[in-house]
Amino acid sequence: DVKVTQSSRYLVKRTGEKVFLECVQDMDHENMFWYRQDPGLGLRLIYFSYDVKMKEKGDIPEGYSVSREKKERFSLILESASTNQTSMYLCASSLPGTSAGELFFGEGSRLTVL
Amino acid sequence: AQTVTQSQPEMSVQEAETVTLSCTYDTSESNYYLFWYKQPPSRQMILVIRQEAYKQQNATENRFSVNFQKAAKSFSLKISDSQLGDTAMYFCAFMTDTNAGKSTFGDGTTLTVKP
Repeated sequence: DVKVTQSSRYLVKRTGEKVFLECVQDMDHENMFWYRQDPGLGLRLIYFSYDVKMKEKGDIPEGYSVSREKKERFSLILESASTNQTSMYLCASSLPGTSAGELFFGEGSRLTVL
Repeated sequence: AQTVTQSQPEMSVQEAETVTLSCTYDTSESNYYLFWYKQPPSRQMILVIRQEAYKQQNATENRFSVNFQKAAKSFSLKISDSQLGDTAMYFCAFMTDTNAGKSTFGDGTTLTVKP
């Protein structure tokens, strides 16, 4: 079975802390994505990557950064967590191009910032 | 800008009945791809069904089918013989060739199947 694994299902952090959310996929996918899911707002794209060491901003990159040092791993970093970053974070991967297109998701990381 | 609209935040259906979830989208692109994803409670999101815009025939996957109306930019999901395991949040998503790999999602519809 294909698998996207997010390192933490639930995290509680304090305002100002640095937060790392890790995502690993075992499908050799080129594309990896970080989405944020909030009630009534659907999924919003934070950052994505088409290849190792490559990253592009999505629709809501402010307050976030990412790292992709290896093909299978895509990390989301909150340099200084704030309460408005309390949310569910979803990592996904896919093959390149639209002929495939299907996103494979992890189980999500629910972050609470106090 | 490309947008996806799901006008039904919540829906419910009796077990074994049929339910239709609505989705409309807006794009100026001629070639694109549409998806329905399912997110069960506390479980990961999975693909239910996909439709290529250049295909006139509506996609079908077992009890799940779509009604794709290209001119109206409408992409509804029909679930036949609803089962308790269909209870989930359903997201409509959209992707174009020029935006390859990046999907735009609707706000989601929470579907509850009642016994």
